[in-house]
Amino acid sequence: EPEVTQTPSHQVTQMGQEVILRCVPISNHLYFYWYRQILGQKVEFLVSFYNNEISEKSEIFDDQFSVERPDGSNFTLKIRSTKLEDSAMYFCASSTLFYEQYFGPGTRLTVT
Amino acid sequence: QKEVEQDPGPLSVPEGAIVSLNCTYSNSAFQYFMWYRQYSRKGPELLMYTYSSGNKEDGRFTAQVDKSSKYISLFIRDSQPSDSATYLCAILSENYGGSQGNLIFGKGTKLSVKP
Repeated sequence: EPEVTQTPSHQVTQMGQEVILRCVPISNHLYFYWYRQILGQKVEFLVSFYNNEISEKSEIFDDQFSVERPDGSNFTLKIRSTKLEDSAMYFCASSTLFYEQYFGPGTRLTVT
Repeated sequence: QKEVEQDPGPLSVPEGAIVSLNCTYSNSAFQYFMWYRQYSRKGPELLMYTYSSGNKEDGRFTAQVDKSSKYISLFIRDSQPSDSATYLCAILSENYGGSQGNLIFGKGTKLSVKP
């Protein structure tokens, strides 16, 4: 069964550094998303991406964040200058029908 | 007012019990209601979704939506130890005239099914 994959599974970085989280969505999916989950808290929406552009973003997704689909298979989330409060699990999701979103296993980001 | 409220539990039941998990939501415009299962340190796994009011059954799982009271439920029959996980309700916040949307999650209920 096809699934969303994410790399790395765990990323440790120092405050102020740039990180890129990578995702390979399910191959025939058209909609792509990033969500995050701070430990012990709800899963929160960050951004959605469709037709090579951002379609919706939350107030969390400020100028420090960017997304890109550099080729036909990868979808990336970049955080330009990480802060301690960016420490969280980051989940990529994709869908062919916008309401059936399938999540990857997540990347645990630890900012020290 | 928070958009989606879910009792975090934990909820512990014996194997074979019927489990009832519930959420309330605030915006009556919501149309799509999802249940995800999340194992520790893993991504949410889509169990089922319901459109508008009514019931939907999939094996031992039944999802129920009551839009009049803004209440959604997931029932698990004949619960198994392998059902032990955190169950997240989620509601789709639609945009672009209903052609796209992002999920608003509840906090999740941690379920433990004891053998």
